Amino acid sequence: KNQVEQSPQSLIILEGKNCTLQCNYTVSPFSNLRWYKQDTGRGPVSLTIMTFSENTKSNGRYTATLDADTKQSSLHITASQLSDSASYICVVSPAMDTGRRALTFGSGTRLQVQP
Amino acid sequence: GAVVSQHPSRVICKSGTSVKIECRSLDFQATTMFWYRQFPKQSLMLMATSNEGSKATYEQGVEKDKFLINHASLTLSTLTVTSAHPEDSSFYICSARSVGYSGNTIYFGEGSWLTVV
Repeated sequence: KNQVEQSPQSLIILEGKNCTLQCNYTVSPFSNLRWYKQDTGRGPVSLTIMTFSENTKSNGRYTATLDADTKQSSLHITASQLSDSASYICVVSPAMDTGRRALTFGSGTRLQVQP
Repeated sequence: GAVVSQHPSRVICKSGTSVKIECRSLDFQATTMFWYRQFPKQSLMLMATSNEGSKATYEQGVEKDKFLINHASLTLSTLTVTSAHPEDSSFYICSARSVGYSGNTIYFGEGSWLTVV
């Protein structure tokens, strides 16, 4: 079982609508959780990074929340744009960062924004 | 601008030949770099962790003799796919860890498309 589970696997929304992506993790102890946006054929780009003590962090129209007790995070996209069409990946860093397994990746949510 | 540069972005090679992909941290020193492989519509799969000045640590199932990793300097790691076969065609991405006062930050390269014909 993957230590980082994302849902939904894919999502289609209309331009201008809001959406929320979910990330549940079991990595423990955990250091920080990151959300990345990956356009097709490109490297991932960081959207937010939160430590275990942070509950929410915003980056423009992207707002990430974190509940370290329930080990859940969400990424909320407001007023979606066509350029938001991409894969969104949740990545968790373990507290014991030995350098070998710095990151645990979710399988991603593929978002498609339609006009 | 990009802080981790990968080159080439796209490469086509003949089956049986070797191809080298470079990963450079542009404005920071990276003692640790990571190499990933990504198949279409799938998430990134860690292949190996590259530490400057030492041997890379490979994930289970990744052939170290086929995927040669060299991290000779604090700003450069290379991945060489030796004796490439069509099944090696994939998207390869590197990332580099920058250690700062606020903690670790991971930057990804733009990726390299490898097509073996």
